[in-house]
Amino acid sequence: ETGVTQTPRHLVMGMTNKKSLKCEQHLGHNAMYWYKQSAKKPLELMFVYSLEERVENNSVPSRFSPECPNSSHLFLHLHTLQPEDSALYLCASSHQGTSGANVLTFGAGSRLTVL
Amino acid sequence: GQNIDQPTEMTATEGAIVQINCTYQTSGFNGLFWYQQHAGEAPTFLSYNVLDGLEEKGRFSSFLSRSKGYSYLLLKELQMKDSASYLCAAVMEYGNKLVFGAGTILRVKS
Repeated sequence: ETGVTQTPRHLVMGMTNKKSLKCEQHLGHNAMYWYKQSAKKPLELMFVYSLEERVENNSVPSRFSPECPNSSHLFLHLHTLQPEDSALYLCASSHQGTSGANVLTFGAGSRLTVL
Repeated sequence: GQNIDQPTEMTATEGAIVQINCTYQTSGFNGLFWYQQHAGEAPTFLSYNVLDGLEEKGRFSSFLSRSKGYSYLLLKELQMKDSASYLCAAVMEYGNKLVFGAGTILRVKS
């Protein structure tokens, strides 16, 4: 385990379904992130939460809805997705301090397939 | 604009040395990361360069030239387990804004 756990690892859903991805970190970090990874494309930053407050939303469609109830947990709620949303969704966490590198620790990802 | 370029795929032989290049064009540059990602696994941190020069860490080294917008990851004494995707990511400003390249798939053959 990397210290960041994502569930489920694999998810298949229809376009009318509602599902959620879960991420949990046990590293004492104060920031959490959702990234989308599609084949042969760069990781796309979706959302950033710092101290449980959303600080970044990269023009993500409203069919993706994040939730960060506390500093250890992050959710991505999914509804009425499109087939092009099929991808690997990576959660990451980091400790944002006043100096030094902001090293991300990633989870293994949730592989989402939208039919 | 923001742009990170790295080769799509590379192949090298076990025991050899390979260099994976990364060029970047970003605003407010504040360092460059390299991550390794094995198929089906989480990306894991390899190195971070913020100053020009070479950082060596065992079989892996990373180089940065800020004036040229260029970095490379050098892998020595290649092993089969080094077969993975290598992600270059530039820090756009101090904090959490990382811009990733599409990754370089390295295949190590015996």
